[in-house]
Amino acid sequence: KNQVEQSPQSLIILEGKNCTLQCNYTVSPFSNLRWYKQDTGRGPVSLTIMTFSENTKSNGRYTATLDADTKQSSLHITASQLSDSASYICVVSNSNDYKLSFGAGTTVTVRA
Amino acid sequence: DGGITQSPKYLFRKEGQNVTLSCEQNLNHDAMYWYRQDPGQGLRLIYYSQIVNDFQKGDIAEGYSVSREKKESFPLTVTSAQKNPTAFYLCASRGGTPTYNEQFFGPGTRLTVL
Repeated sequence: KNQVEQSPQSLIILEGKNCTLQCNYTVSPFSNLRWYKQDTGRGPVSLTIMTFSENTKSNGRYTATLDADTKQSSLHITASQLSDSASYICVVSNSNDYKLSFGAGTTVTVRA
Repeated sequence: DGGITQSPKYLFRKEGQNVTLSCEQNLNHDAMYWYRQDPGQGLRLIYYSQIVNDFQKGDIAEGYSVSREKKESFPLTVTSAQKNPTAFYLCASRGGTPTYNEQFFGPGTRLTVL
């Protein structure tokens, strides 16, 4: 069964600090992995996408890494801002039918 | 929210009622999707449509129905057969090749059963 597990479930950080979110997956065969940001009550918005051959991708203060051998990914948020408070969802696509498997998300709260 | 609109934003349903959630996109995308989001769980696929006049069941289609009469519209009906419909519903669309499977999401509809 294709699964995506994220940790931690939630975290609280002070404004200006860094944090790292984890994603482990069992999706096979692998096509790509995407991190989405979802503000409360809104739809998810894509932050980064990585294919098998890519092991790092940045989008401003967001940096995603991928280790396709261990089937792990991380999302690093640098110099957090209050606007980073959101749920971050790891999404993996398989190359058979390109359906998406979603993690449950990590809720990040940034406090002043 | 990338050219995808959902309405209404909030919807309340009484027991035994059918309700329809609207999803419209102006991205000229062929594929459209409906997901359900519950607290502490990942998004789950209800129905999807790869092209006009065609759609397939997802992982949790029971109690739901859809139509795809126009490319830009993909309404979802939550029927009285859906026993636990209270959730956040997200519509998405995808264009281009499926390799990157870039899905763009609408703002969502929160459905509450009274």
